[in-house]
Amino acid sequence: DVKVTQSSRYLVKRTGEKVFLECVQDMDHENMFWYRQDPGLGLRLIYFSYDVKMKEKGDIPEGYSVSREKKERFSLILESASTNQTSMYLCASSQPQFYGYTFGSGTRLTVV
Amino acid sequence: KNEVEQSPQNLTAQEGEFITINCSYSVGISALHWLQQHPGGGIVSLFMLSSGKKKHGRLIATINIQEKHSSLHITASHPRDSAVYICAVKAYTDKLIFGTGTRLQVFP
Repeated sequence: DVKVTQSSRYLVKRTGEKVFLECVQDMDHENMFWYRQDPGLGLRLIYFSYDVKMKEKGDIPEGYSVSREKKERFSLILESASTNQTSMYLCASSQPQFYGYTFGSGTRLTVV
Repeated sequence: KNEVEQSPQNLTAQEGEFITINCSYSVGISALHWLQQHPGGGIVSLFMLSSGKKKHGRLIATINIQEKHSSLHITASHPRDSAVYICAVKAYTDKLIFGTGTRLQVFP
């Protein structure tokens, strides 16, 4: 069963901490995405990567960075967590030119 | 104005009712997705459409490319259908543009 795995379902961090959210896919997909989901705003794209070591900013990249050292793993980094980064974070992957997307189960991050 | 609009935002139904969720979009697309998100967060892809109609069990999805509109129908709704349903369009890139979702609650 192909899947996208996010390392944590729930995470609580303190303001100012450096936070790593990990995402691993086992489908050999080229594309990987990080979204955040907030009530009334839907899913918004933070960053996406179309190849190893390649990344592109999404709609709301401020306060975030990403790392893709291996094809199967895409990490989202909050350099200095703030309370306005409390949200649900979702990872997804897809293959270029094909239409199917696979989503992870999400990480609910609370910054206190 | 959002590029993808869904209606209604919230929907309640009695078990057995026929349900329709609508999605309108304003950009050119190569495909449209209907996604389901249960409490707890994980998102499952229900349908991917580029034209016409698709059916899977009690779920039916239609798309009208000329009118830039899609509908998701649930026949004989059941409490286990309670979830957030999200419409997302794939423009001519590899990125999706999402609607804000429709929260459906089906009561026994």
